[in-house]
Amino acid sequence: DTGVSQDPRHKITKRGQNVTFRCDPISEHNRLYWYRQTLGQGPEFLTYFQNEAQLEKSRLLSDRFSAERPKGSFSTLEIQRTEQGDSAMYLCASSFQGGTEAFFGQGTRLTVV
Amino acid sequence: DQQVKQNSPSLSVQEGRISILNCDYTNSMFDYFLWYKKYPAEGPTFLISISSIKDKNEDGRFTVFLNKSAKHLSLHIVPSQPGDSAVYFCAASAFSSAGNMLTFGGGTRLMVKP
Repeated sequence: DTGVSQDPRHKITKRGQNVTFRCDPISEHNRLYWYRQTLGQGPEFLTYFQNEAQLEKSRLLSDRFSAERPKGSFSTLEIQRTEQGDSAMYLCASSFQGGTEAFFGQGTRLTVV
Repeated sequence: DQQVKQNSPSLSVQEGRISILNCDYTNSMFDYFLWYKKYPAEGPTFLISISSIKDKNEDGRFTVFLNKSAKHLSLHIVPSQPGDSAVYFCAASAFSSAGNMLTFGGGTRLMVKP
């Protein structure tokens, strides 16, 4: 297992376009998290899945954001009608249920121009 | 409301000396604390953790101390090496709650000079 994998690593998009990111967690992990990190800040929790169920969403996750984990394996995060304020590093992490550490992917850096 | 704070945005130490990174938290429900290390253009990498039932955890050159009454934890790196230069994030979770989401501090950039 190569760890948590995210694709793409970088995305530049024009304001108003939709973007989709993918995360492949560590295969044995049933929990998957999305975080967002802006410059000079720590990662902020967006949402998490246990298997295919999305169990919690942060108030940071506006209605332009949607996440799925259809078969309890990989996950996608879509941002519709992107805004410049969406520019950030989007991080995916996974863990065992009841596990104490979350393992992060390398992130997708989004730039909205 | 920032529940986890790292008040020093940067720290510079000489190679071979001790690095001490500090973190304060406000939420009494936090019962598990972690330190992550982050290089530029990479995701955070887990470094060391501590449960609230302990006051110290050691792993090689890295030791984390927890003072629950002060709601304060610190990471000690000794001896510091140039490869330790990175941004260090303190994170906390309420492990007993569903989800075990992490709340991060703003990070401290450590620079270890040869």
